[in-house]
Amino acid sequence: DGGITQSPKYLFRKEGQNVTLSCEQNLNHDAMYWYRQDPGQGLRLIYYSQIVNDFQKGDIAEGYSVSREKKESFPLTVTSAQKNPTAFYLCASSGLGVGGRYNEQFFGPGTRLTVL
Amino acid sequence: KQEVTQIPAALSVPEGENLVLNCSFTDSAIYNLQWFRQDPGKGLTSLLLIQSSQREQTSGRLNASLDKSSGRSTLYIAASQPGDSATYLCAVRYYTGTASKLTFGTGTRLQVTL
Repeated sequence: DGGITQSPKYLFRKEGQNVTLSCEQNLNHDAMYWYRQDPGQGLRLIYYSQIVNDFQKGDIAEGYSVSREKKESFPLTVTSAQKNPTAFYLCASSGLGVGGRYNEQFFGPGTRLTVL
Repeated sequence: KQEVTQIPAALSVPEGENLVLNCSFTDSAIYNLQWFRQDPGKGLTSLLLIQSSQREQTSGRLNASLDKSSGRSTLYIAASQPGDSATYLCAVRYYTGTASKLTFGTGTRLQVTL
C-alpha cells in the first residue's frame, strides 16, 4: 500500500517535555510538509522540505524543529519552547510532475497532541 | 500574501440535493488548485486537482471548476448523500522562486440529512 503514515495517533506531553512526531511516506515524493490544525482555523504550515538534508520554515516554525535525513522520513519535534502545542498535526507529501513542478499533495492520518 | 476564502462556512442540505461550494483566492498567479475532504479527527483526502491551465475536473459526482482570472473555484456535488457529510477544503499552490506551498481555506462543513 502506498501512502503516508504518522505515529503515534495520539500523544500526551507534559509541560517542559520535547516530543517527536513521526512521518513516513513510500510514495517516492521529494517534498514533505508539516501542518498544524486548530479548531475553527485553517491548516498552518510549520516546516517543509523539498530535498533531503534541506528544509525551510513555514508560517509558524517557532518552537518546532525538523530533520530530513532520508527521502521517506520527515520527523517533527515539538519543543518545550512551543507555548501552545495542543493541536492536530498533519504530515503531507507531494511529487514532481511534468515540467518539474509539484503536483497533487497527499496527507497522512494525523497525530493529535495534547499537553497535560 | 495569498489568501483563500471559502463560503459558506457551514451548509446543511437534504439528501439528493445538488450543491455548490465556493472558494476564492486573492492572487491569481497559482500553479494549481486542489479540493480536499476531511472527516472528523482524520487526515485530508484529495478529491480533485485542477491545473492552472484547466477549466474543470470531474470525478464521479464531483465537478470542480476554476476561473483563475477572477480568483474563483467551485466544487459541485451532484445528488448528495449522507456519506458526503464532511468538511471540504480548497487549497491553492503557488511558487515563490523554487519554493512551493499550498495555502488553505478554512473549509466548508457540509451536513447531508436524511
